[in-house]
Amino acid sequence: DTGVSQNPRHKITKRGQNVTFRCDPISEHNRLYWYRQTLGQGPEFLTYFQNEARLEKSRLLSDRFSAERPKGSFSTLEIQRTEQGDSAMYLCASSLTREQYFGPGTRLTVT
Amino acid sequence: AQSVTQLGSHVSVSEGALVLLRCNYSSSVPPYLFWYVQYPNQGLQLLLKYTSAATLVKGINGFEAEFKKSETSFHLTKPSAHMSDAAEYFCAVRGPPGGNEKLTFGTGTRLTIIP
Repeated sequence: DTGVSQNPRHKITKRGQNVTFRCDPISEHNRLYWYRQTLGQGPEFLTYFQNEARLEKSRLLSDRFSAERPKGSFSTLEIQRTEQGDSAMYLCASSLTREQYFGPGTRLTVT
Repeated sequence: AQSVTQLGSHVSVSEGALVLLRCNYSSSVPPYLFWYVQYPNQGLQLLLKYTSAATLVKGINGFEAEFKKSETSFHLTKPSAHMSDAAEYFCAVRGPPGGNEKLTFGTGTRLTIIP
C-alpha cells in the first residue's frame, strides 16, 4: 500500500493558462474523490468517480473544470482559463469501503 | 443535507493537558463520522471513524471520540497532549452506503500545544 499520490505538489501559473493535476489512488480502491481547500477552510467536495464513471459533481465545478478517470485507474483534473479565485489546495482521496484516504494535495497559485 | 459544526477555530492546551475538540453534526440519517488531522502543507490523515458500531471509538496517536446521538456530537479527546499533536483537525460526516458518498467537513480547529 503506497498511499494516494498527487502530482505536481505545487503549481504556479498565470491567469488564463490551463493546468492539469494527476491523482493516483491506492491500487485496489474503486472510488476516487476530488476536493478543494482554501485557506482557513475545510475541504469542499468537487467530484467523485466509481471506477471510470463520474457519479456526482458539485456546483463548485464550473464548466472550466473537467475531471476524468480513464479505465478506472488514475484521475486528472484540468482547469481551463485559470482565475485567481482558483488558487487553492486540490486534494484527491480514494476509498474501497467507508473511509477515504487522502493524498498530499496539489497547491495551485494563480498569479 | 448533512453538515458539521466545529466549535472553536483555535484551541490551545498545555503539554500534558487534556485535549478536547468539539464537533456537532446534522444528518437526517444515521451518520458516518470521521476525524482527520492535517499538518502544514500536507494532506489529511484519518484519525478515527464512527460507523454505527461502538459509540466510543479509539484512533491513532492516543485520540478517541464518543458518538452521542442525543447531543448530535462527536467530540475528539486525548488525555495528555504532546507537542507533536499541534495541527489542524477536521471533523467530517458522510452519508451511509447507497446515498451521498461525499465527505462534508467542518471549518477545522487549529490545535496549539504550549510547552
